[in-house]
Amino acid sequence: DAMVIQNPRYQVTQFGKPVTLSCSQTLNHNVMYWYQQKSSQAPKLLFHYYDKDFNNEADTPDNFQSRRPNTSFCFLDIRSPGLGDAAMYLCATSIRDWNYNEQFFGPGTRLTVL
Amino acid sequence: AQKVTQAQTEISVVEKEDVTLDCVYETRDTTYYLFWYKQPPSGELVFLIRRNSFDEQNEISGRYSWNFQKSTSSFNFTITASQVVDSAVYFCALSEGYNTDKLIFGTGTRLQVFP
Repeated sequence: DAMVIQNPRYQVTQFGKPVTLSCSQTLNHNVMYWYQQKSSQAPKLLFHYYDKDFNNEADTPDNFQSRRPNTSFCFLDIRSPGLGDAAMYLCATSIRDWNYNEQFFGPGTRLTVL
Repeated sequence: AQKVTQAQTEISVVEKEDVTLDCVYETRDTTYYLFWYKQPPSGELVFLIRRNSFDEQNEISGRYSWNFQKSTSSFNFTITASQVVDSAVYFCALSEGYNTDKLIFGTGTRLQVFP
């Protein structure tokens, strides 16, 4: 089945130690998104790629970076995780065409910062 | 400014009860899209429905139904004969215009269905 896959599902890192979260998709969608969701809050968009074009949200901290080496993969890099970065990180994909299409979400990676 | 309000933080019902989740939105655009997503305890956001601003027809899908009223800027979601498996957090979301990729989420409503 076509899907959005996130690895790992759970990630523990230490304060200040760089961490990379991975997302892959078999849907061949041209847009990929990264969201941060803290406990009992709505998902918050960090950035997205439309093909290779990177779009950063204005309030996304510089500590968060992303790479999209090809259509199928997208990575979230947190350069120096702080305690406040502990959250669920959700990857999503969609097709951008003449319509606005729904986003399909992966299962998320829950990040713990010690 | 765009905004989505889900005033109900948490709702508890007993199985087989009907329940309505409210969603009120604000936008200045005449073209926009509304969505509902379900987030079960596993964490994955599951797409339920998309509705564009030009289509005010209500929709029914099994036990789920949606009532879209532009006059009151509302897009409410009703679950008929609720089941324990319906227990989740439900998010309403808004996107404006064409080729805009940003979803504005409401704060979500946690639904607990007890046996």
